[in-house]
Amino acid sequence: DAGVTQSPTHLIKTRGQQVTLRCSPKSGHDTVSWYQQALGQGPQFIFQYYEEEERQRGNFPDRFSGHQFPNYSSELNVNALLLGDSALYLCASSFGQISGNTIYFGEGSWLTVV
Amino acid sequence: QKEVEQNSGPLSVPEGAIASLNCTYSDRGSQSFFWYRQYSGKSPELIMFIYSNGDKEDGRFTAQLNKASQYVSLLIRDSQPSDSATYLCAAQGDSSYKLIFGSGTRLLVRP
Repeated sequence: DAGVTQSPTHLIKTRGQQVTLRCSPKSGHDTVSWYQQALGQGPQFIFQYYEEEERQRGNFPDRFSGHQFPNYSSELNVNALLLGDSALYLCASSFGQISGNTIYFGEGSWLTVV
Repeated sequence: QKEVEQNSGPLSVPEGAIASLNCTYSDRGSQSFFWYRQYSGKSPELIMFIYSNGDKEDGRFTAQLNKASQYVSLLIRDSQPSDSATYLCAAQGDSSYKLIFGSGTRLLVRP
Protein backbone atom coordinates (compact mmCIF):
# COMPACT_ATOMS: atom_id res chain seq x y z
CA ASP A 1 0.00 0.00 0.00
CA ALA A 2 1.69 3.15 -1.23
CA GLY A 3 1.79 6.02 1.19
CA VAL A 4 1.72 9.69 0.25
CA THR A 5 4.17 10.35 -2.56
CA GLN A 6 5.62 13.72 -3.49
CA SER A 7 7.87 14.97 -6.24
CA PRO A 8 10.38 16.35 -6.74
CA THR A 9 12.31 15.67 -3.54
CA HIS A 10 14.67 18.61 -3.85
CA LEU A 11 14.79 21.56 -6.18
CA ILE A 12 16.55 24.89 -6.52
CA LYS A 13 14.89 27.85 -8.18
CA THR A 14 15.81 31.47 -8.81
CA ARG A 15 13.87 34.42 -7.44
CA GLY A 16 10.97 35.31 -9.71
CA GLN A 17 10.64 31.84 -11.18
CA GLN A 18 7.65 29.56 -10.84
CA VAL A 19 7.55 26.06 -9.34
CA THR A 20 5.12 23.15 -9.42
CA LEU A 21 5.12 20.45 -6.76
CA ARG A 22 3.16 17.21 -7.06
CA CYS A 23 1.46 14.88 -4.63
CA SER A 24 -0.34 11.55 -4.81
CA PRO A 25 -2.39 10.75 -1.72
CA LYS A 26 -2.37 7.48 0.14
CA SER A 27 -4.55 4.79 -1.40
CA GLY A 28 -8.15 5.26 -0.28
CA HIS A 29 -7.69 8.92 0.59
CA ASP A 30 -9.46 11.68 -1.31
CA THR A 31 -8.42 14.86 0.51
CA VAL A 32 -5.10 16.61 0.03
CA SER A 33 -3.69 19.46 2.08
CA TRP A 34 -0.48 21.38 1.56
CA TYR A 35 1.75 22.76 4.29
CA GLN A 36 4.89 24.87 4.33
CA GLN A 37 7.50 24.19 6.98
CA ALA A 38 10.29 26.69 7.51
CA LEU A 39 13.40 25.63 9.39
CA GLY A 40 12.76 25.28 13.10
CA GLN A 41 9.02 25.87 12.79
CA GLY A 42 5.93 23.72 12.71
CA PRO A 43 4.17 23.21 9.38
CA GLN A 44 1.85 26.04 8.28
CA PHE A 45 -1.37 25.24 6.44
CA ILE A 46 -1.51 26.53 2.86
CA PHE A 47 -4.76 25.05 1.51
CA GLN A 48 -6.85 21.91 1.24
CA TYR A 49 -8.45 20.24 -1.77
CA TYR A 50 -11.46 17.95 -1.75
CA GLU A 51 -13.58 16.92 -4.72
CA GLU A 52 -11.27 18.95 -6.96
CA GLU A 53 -12.09 22.20 -5.18
CA GLU A 54 -10.12 24.35 -2.78
CA ARG A 55 -12.05 24.01 0.48
CA GLN A 56 -9.92 25.94 2.93
CA ARG A 57 -7.02 28.34 2.65
CA GLY A 58 -4.45 29.56 5.14
CA ASN A 59 -2.75 32.95 5.26
CA PHE A 60 -0.79 32.62 2.06
CA PRO A 61 -0.79 35.06 -0.87
CA ASP A 62 -2.37 34.37 -4.23
CA ARG A 63 1.06 33.46 -5.58
CA PHE A 64 0.30 30.07 -4.04
CA SER A 65 -2.25 28.14 -6.04
CA GLY A 66 -3.21 24.54 -6.44
CA HIS A 67 -5.21 21.95 -8.23
CA GLN A 68 -6.68 18.54 -7.56
CA PHE A 69 -7.21 16.02 -10.34
CA PRO A 70 -9.99 13.41 -10.67
CA ASN A 71 -7.61 10.72 -9.38
CA TYR A 72 -7.19 12.81 -6.18
CA SER A 73 -3.58 13.75 -6.92
CA SER A 74 -2.70 17.39 -6.45
CA GLU A 75 -0.30 20.12 -7.51
CA LEU A 76 0.98 23.14 -5.64
CA ASN A 77 2.12 26.07 -7.78
CA VAL A 78 4.09 29.01 -6.51
CA ASN A 79 4.64 32.01 -8.78
CA ALA A 80 7.13 34.86 -8.52
CA LEU A 81 9.29 33.00 -6.03
CA LEU A 82 10.81 34.92 -3.13
CA LEU A 83 13.80 33.97 -1.01
CA GLY A 84 11.36 33.51 1.88
CA ASP A 85 9.58 30.73 0.01
CA SER A 86 12.54 28.45 0.72
CA ALA A 87 11.08 25.69 2.89
CA LEU A 88 9.95 22.09 3.09
CA TYR A 89 6.61 21.69 1.35
CA LEU A 90 4.52 18.89 2.73
CA CYS A 91 1.52 17.16 1.28
CA ALA A 92 -0.94 15.56 3.70
CA SER A 93 -3.67 13.13 2.76
CA SER A 94 -6.79 12.03 4.56
CA PHE A 95 -10.24 10.66 3.84
CA GLY A 96 -13.23 12.94 3.62
CA GLN A 97 -14.00 16.23 5.26
CA ILE A 98 -14.18 14.66 8.68
CA SER A 99 -12.40 15.88 11.77
CA GLY A 100 -10.47 13.18 13.58
CA ASN A 101 -9.49 11.05 10.63
CA THR A 102 -5.87 10.05 10.31
CA ILE A 103 -3.70 12.47 8.38
CA TYR A 104 -0.46 11.26 6.83
CA PHE A 105 2.34 13.33 5.37
CA GLY A 106 4.50 12.63 2.37
CA GLU A 107 8.28 12.87 2.42
CA GLY A 108 8.11 16.49 1.32
CA SER A 109 9.70 18.64 -1.34
CA TRP A 110 12.66 20.76 -0.30
CA LEU A 111 12.57 24.06 -2.17
CA THR A 112 15.54 26.40 -2.15
CA VAL A 113 15.14 29.83 -3.75
CA VAL A 114 18.38 31.62 -4.59
CA GLN B 1 -4.82 34.05 16.58
CA LYS B 2 -5.44 30.38 17.26
CA GLU B 3 -2.26 28.91 18.67
CA VAL B 4 -0.68 25.71 19.79
CA GLU B 5 2.19 26.09 22.23
CA GLN B 6 5.00 23.68 22.95
CA ASN B 7 8.22 24.02 24.91
CA SER B 8 11.02 23.96 22.34
CA GLY B 9 13.32 21.94 24.60
CA PRO B 10 15.53 20.11 24.31
CA LEU B 11 14.01 17.68 26.77
CA SER B 12 16.77 15.30 27.80
CA VAL B 13 15.95 11.93 29.41
CA PRO B 14 18.03 8.81 30.05
CA GLU B 15 17.39 5.65 28.10
CA GLY B 16 14.56 3.63 29.66
CA ALA B 17 12.92 6.64 31.32
CA ILE B 18 9.49 8.12 30.64
CA ALA B 19 9.51 11.20 28.43
CA SER B 20 6.63 13.61 28.93
CA LEU B 21 5.84 16.08 26.17
CA ASN B 22 3.28 18.81 26.68
CA CYS B 23 1.15 21.02 24.49
CA THR B 24 -1.47 23.70 25.15
CA TYR B 25 -3.94 25.18 22.70
CA SER B 26 -5.95 28.38 22.67
CA ASP B 27 -8.99 27.50 20.52
CA ARG B 28 -11.71 25.83 22.59
CA GLY B 29 -13.31 24.71 19.32
CA SER B 30 -10.43 22.33 18.67
CA GLN B 31 -11.69 18.77 18.64
CA SER B 32 -8.89 16.44 17.57
CA PHE B 33 -5.24 16.45 18.48
CA PHE B 34 -2.35 14.83 16.69
CA TRP B 35 1.19 13.95 17.67
CA TYR B 36 3.84 13.65 14.99
CA ARG B 37 7.49 12.69 15.27
CA GLN B 38 9.94 14.41 12.94
CA TYR B 39 13.53 13.35 12.54
CA SER B 40 15.98 15.97 11.33
CA GLY B 41 15.64 16.47 7.58
CA LYS B 42 12.58 14.21 7.34
CA SER B 43 8.84 14.72 7.16
CA PRO B 44 6.44 14.37 10.12
CA GLU B 45 5.40 10.81 10.98
CA LEU B 46 2.04 10.26 12.67
CA ILE B 47 2.34 8.70 16.13
CA MET B 48 -1.27 8.92 17.24
CA PHE B 49 -4.27 11.18 17.60
CA ILE B 50 -6.86 11.70 20.31
CA TYR B 51 -10.25 13.40 20.43
CA SER B 52 -11.81 12.23 23.70
CA ASN B 53 -10.87 13.43 27.15
CA GLY B 54 -8.66 10.96 28.97
CA ASP B 55 -5.88 8.66 27.92
CA LYS B 56 -5.24 6.74 24.72
CA GLU B 57 -2.47 4.15 24.62
CA ASP B 58 -0.62 2.70 21.66
CA GLY B 59 2.39 0.57 22.50
CA ARG B 60 4.95 2.69 24.35
CA PHE B 61 3.00 5.87 23.63
CA THR B 62 0.15 7.37 25.65
CA ALA B 63 -1.67 10.53 24.63
CA GLN B 64 -3.60 12.45 27.27
CA LEU B 65 -6.25 15.08 26.60
CA ASN B 66 -7.86 17.52 29.02
CA LYS B 67 -10.21 19.81 27.11
CA ALA B 68 -11.18 21.80 30.20
CA SER B 69 -7.54 22.77 30.71
CA GLN B 70 -6.85 22.88 26.95
CA TYR B 71 -3.91 20.60 27.47
CA VAL B 72 -2.54 17.64 25.52
CA SER B 73 0.41 15.49 26.42
CA LEU B 74 2.36 12.57 25.03
CA LEU B 75 4.12 10.07 27.27
CA ILE B 76 6.81 7.82 25.87
CA ARG B 77 7.61 4.87 28.11
CA ASP B 78 10.95 3.03 28.02
CA SER B 79 12.50 5.82 25.92
CA GLN B 80 15.10 4.71 23.39
CA PRO B 81 17.85 6.73 21.68
CA SER B 82 15.92 6.17 18.43
CA ASP B 83 13.10 8.26 19.95
CA SER B 84 15.36 11.32 19.78
CA ALA B 85 13.51 13.65 17.43
CA THR B 86 11.26 16.69 17.36
CA TYR B 87 7.69 16.01 18.45
CA LEU B 88 4.98 18.14 16.89
CA CYS B 89 1.58 18.68 18.45
CA ALA B 90 -1.29 19.74 16.19
CA ALA B 91 -4.92 20.74 16.81
CA GLN B 92 -7.81 20.34 14.41
CA GLY B 93 -11.21 22.01 14.64
CA ASP B 94 -14.55 20.31 14.13
CA SER B 95 -15.50 22.29 11.02
CA SER B 96 -12.02 23.46 10.09
CA TYR B 97 -10.02 20.49 8.99
CA LYS B 98 -6.64 22.17 8.85
CA LEU B 99 -4.03 21.25 11.42
CA ILE B 100 -2.55 24.02 13.53
CA PHE B 101 0.91 23.00 14.67
CA GLY B 102 3.10 24.00 17.55
CA SER B 103 6.77 24.62 16.88
CA GLY B 104 7.72 21.25 18.30
CA THR B 105 9.67 19.93 21.27
CA ARG B 106 13.08 18.42 20.68
CA LEU B 107 13.59 15.20 22.65
CA LEU B 108 17.03 13.80 23.35
CA VAL B 109 17.29 10.31 24.83
CA ARG B 110 20.73 9.69 26.35
CA PRO B 111 22.16 6.13 26.09
